[in-house]
Amino acid sequence: GAGVSQTPSNKVTEKGKYVELRCDPISGHTALYWYRQSLGQGPEFLIYFQGTGAADDSGLPNDRFFAVRPEGSVSTLKIQRTERGDSAVYLCASSSTGHGTDTQYFGPGTRLTVL
Amino acid sequence: GENVEQHPSTLSVQEGDSAVIKCTYSDSASNYFPWYKQELGKRPQLIIDIRSNVGEKKDQRIAVTLNKTAKHFSLHITETQPEDSAVYFCAASMIDNAGNMLTFGGGTRLMVKP
Repeated sequence: GAGVSQTPSNKVTEKGKYVELRCDPISGHTALYWYRQSLGQGPEFLIYFQGTGAADDSGLPNDRFFAVRPEGSVSTLKIQRTERGDSAVYLCASSSTGHGTDTQYFGPGTRLTVL
Repeated sequence: GENVEQHPSTLSVQEGDSAVIKCTYSDSASNYFPWYKQELGKRPQLIIDIRSNVGEKKDQRIAVTLNKTAKHFSLHITETQPEDSAVYFCAASMIDNAGNMLTFGGGTRLMVKP
C-alpha cells in the first residue's frame, strides 16, 4: 500500500512568513509523529498524535510551532514568523498504534529553507 | 531526557569487509533500540531493532548487539556491499510509554568502496 507522504517536498520562504507542512500517514495508522532533521544530524522529536489529539508536544521548540490532526488522519505542522534557524527537513512518521514496538514509517520529508 | 551518542560519524570500508557502528544511551529505562538506514535524499527506513530482553539479533548480513549494563548497542554489517552505503541512525525509546517517541543518535555515514 501507499506509504507516508508529505507535501510540499521543498518549501522556500522568507524570514517572518507563515508556513504549513502537510503529512498523509499510512491509512489506518492511529499514531503520527513529527520530527525535525537538521543538516548532518539525526531526527529530533517534535510532537506525537494519537488519533486526533496531541498526546505529547514536548519537542516543539517554542510557541511559533503548532500542529493539528483534526480528523485523525492528515496532519499539518504550522510555523509562524519563521526564522532562519527553522531551516531543516521536517519528517513525518506514522505507526499502527503508537504502542509497543510498532514500527514508525517515515515520509520523504519537507525541506524547509528560510531566507 | 534520553541522550543517544553515535560513533563514528563517518566510516569507510572496502567492499566485503565488516562495518561496526556503536551507540550509547543515557536513560536506563530505555528498552527498545531500532536502527534506521537513510540513503541520500530518501526517507529513513527501519533495518533492524532489538528489545532490551535480548542481547543479540541477526537478520542475514546485519546484526545488533545490546549491553544493558553498559548502556550501549552496536550495529554489525558483514560482507558489505556498495548498496550498503548510506547514513545509519540508531535510536532509543521506552516502549512502555505511550507513543514510543524515538531519540536518535547523530548518524554514521557509511561508505563502501568497490
